[in-house]
This record gives sequence, C-alpha cells and structure tokens, in this order.
Amino acid sequence: GENVEQHPSTLSVQEGDSAVIKCTYSDSASNYFPWYKQELGKRPQLIIDIRSNVGEKKDQRIAVTLNKTAKHFSLHITETQPEDSAVYFCAASPGGGGSNYKLTFGKGTLLTVNP
Amino acid sequence: NAGVTQTPKFQVLKTGQSMTLQCAQDMNHEYMSWYRQDPGMGLRLIHYSVGAGITDQGEVPNGYNVSRSTTEDFPLRLLSAAPSQTSVYFCASRKGTAYNEQFFGPGTRLTVL
Repeated sequence: GENVEQHPSTLSVQEGDSAVIKCTYSDSASNYFPWYKQELGKRPQLIIDIRSNVGEKKDQRIAVTLNKTAKHFSLHITETQPEDSAVYFCAASPGGGGSNYKLTFGKGTLLTVNP
Repeated sequence: NAGVTQTPKFQVLKTGQSMTLQCAQDMNHEYMSWYRQDPGMGLRLIHYSVGAGITDQGEVPNGYNVSRSTTEDFPLRLLSAAPSQTSVYFCASRKGTAYNEQFFGPGTRLTVL
C-alpha cells in the first residue's frame, strides 16, 4: 500500500518568515495530494490540494509543489502569521472512486509561528 | 447543513466494554470513513464505505466493526474495548471521487481504562 513520509515533525518560525513542509510517497499510482490543517482541539480541514498533472498551485500565501519523478511534494507558507500555528498533514491518493478512495496521511508537522 | 456530526464528544470506557461511536452526514456523500488519531501517528484509516451496504477495511481495522445501512449514517463499533484503543476518532465524508474535498467531523475523544 501507499506510504507517506512527512518532515519535519516540528517546525518553529518567526512571524513573517516562510515555512516549508515536505512529503514523499511510495505508490507511483498516486495522483492526488491534499494538505490539511488542524488547529488545536479542532478537526482537520482541507487548505490546498494538487493533482499530478499540475506542478505547482498557489492560493494567497500558500503554495504546493509536486515532483512526480522524485515522488515528493511540498507545502510552502509565506509571510507566516500566528494564526498559521497548527498541525499540517499531507496525504496521497490514487484518485478516482471506489476502492481508490483511500487517502493515506503523513504523520503531521506541528508548525509554531512565534510573534 | 450540519455537515458531519459525531457523538459522543467524549467517552470513558473500562476494558472489555463495548460501545458505538455515531457518525452522520447530511450532504448526501457516498463515501464515509473512520480514522483514529494518535500522537505522532497521524490519521490512520480504520474502515471506509463507498456507499450504503458496502464497507471495507482500512489500515487498522482490528477490534472495530462498521455497517452502512443508510447513506447518512456510518457507526463505528468497538466490540471489546482495550487500552490500545484510547484515541481521538474522526469520521469523514466526501462526494464522488477522491478529488473532492473530504470533510471531517468534530471528533470523539475515547479513553479506555
């Protein structure tokens, strides 16, 4: 099955700095890569996703890049703010429906933005 | 829309007890799933369903049963609770293919003594 590795497990940055979280996956059939943010005591929520036919996607201060050849993808947060402090999870899926529904998650990165 | 709801929010069990964690969604989503979240372990898939009457195992299914008699409900049953099942449990749902957003419920924090 799919295996998703996520690094680093913890990341501390100063407000205004950039943060980068990296993930690798093992299954070459995976073609959908979402990122979820989980604030303390809350549920995970989707913040951005990317499909394999796209190399990069941006949404305001957040961007995700994908290198299918190397099987890795990254989350980039620019101009970090204290409210970006949370646990971030990457995930991978073959996409599609039926049994291809399954999302495999990384172990998470605790991001702390210091004021 | 209430989205994905879960009950209870908190539960304490003794070893060997059984219970059912409830999950419901009002978005007419075909796909529903259960995850457990443990410190440093991320979100691990327990069971999932691609529609009413259809369920399948995920990564960590042992000790748990599920059923899907309606589109809206997807309960998770702990047959004989063990301390290793102490965790936060999240139910999730989405419509159509995996390319659609997966919505999570608020979670149930379960402690087994």
